[in-house]
Amino acid sequence: GQQLNQSPQSMFIQEGEDVSMNCTSSSIFNTWLWYKQDPGEGPVLLIALYKAGELTSNGRLTAQFGITRKDSFLNISASIPSDVGIYFCAGQLYAGNMLTFGGGTRLMVKP
Amino acid sequence: DAGVIQSPRHEVTEMGQEVTLRCKPISGHDYLFWYRQTMMRGLELLIYFNNNVPIDDSGMPEDRFSAKMPNASFSTLKIQPSEPRDSAVYFCASSFTRGEQFFGPGTRLTVL
Repeated sequence: GQQLNQSPQSMFIQEGEDVSMNCTSSSIFNTWLWYKQDPGEGPVLLIALYKAGELTSNGRLTAQFGITRKDSFLNISASIPSDVGIYFCAGQLYAGNMLTFGGGTRLMVKP
Repeated sequence: DAGVIQSPRHEVTEMGQEVTLRCKPISGHDYLFWYRQTMMRGLELLIYFNNNVPIDDSGMPEDRFSAKMPNASFSTLKIQPSEPRDSAVYFCASSFTRGEQFFGPGTRLTVL
């Protein structure tokens, strides 16, 4: 089946630093999604990307849908302590279809 | 909107017992998904429904697992008999066709 490789697996950064994480796939997706999971909670959607090459921002978060449709990245600018959590990428072939998740990036922010 | 509701939030049971997890999707959503999350395997899709009909159950690990959706506002995931390796966090998610899935808070299952 399809595999999503997400990197890095974890990051420990200083407050105020920028963060970058990415996902690559062995096959194409038509939708890329980025979720954040806080401890003891379910993943929460941050950004959805529907078109190859699309660059979308949500506050300090910016995500891009790769031209090849096999990759996506998420950037967080000027990190703050509440950015701590696990970030997941997810790919979807078509609306209503199952999501395939990456392994997650655990972000830790030092005040 | 209350979001996706799952119950119980925590379940501790003994091996061999039947476990039933419950989910109420967001009103109006026509897709419902059951996921399992473990440290080793991450987030895995178990089964999903569209308009209460199971579409893909290829992720259900064994016959011990079953899921039902008797109506648009309720779904159950049942494990019978449960085993220690079933210990995980089980998430329910729902969406309205377009594909932006909203997750519930999860049920943390521990099988002793």
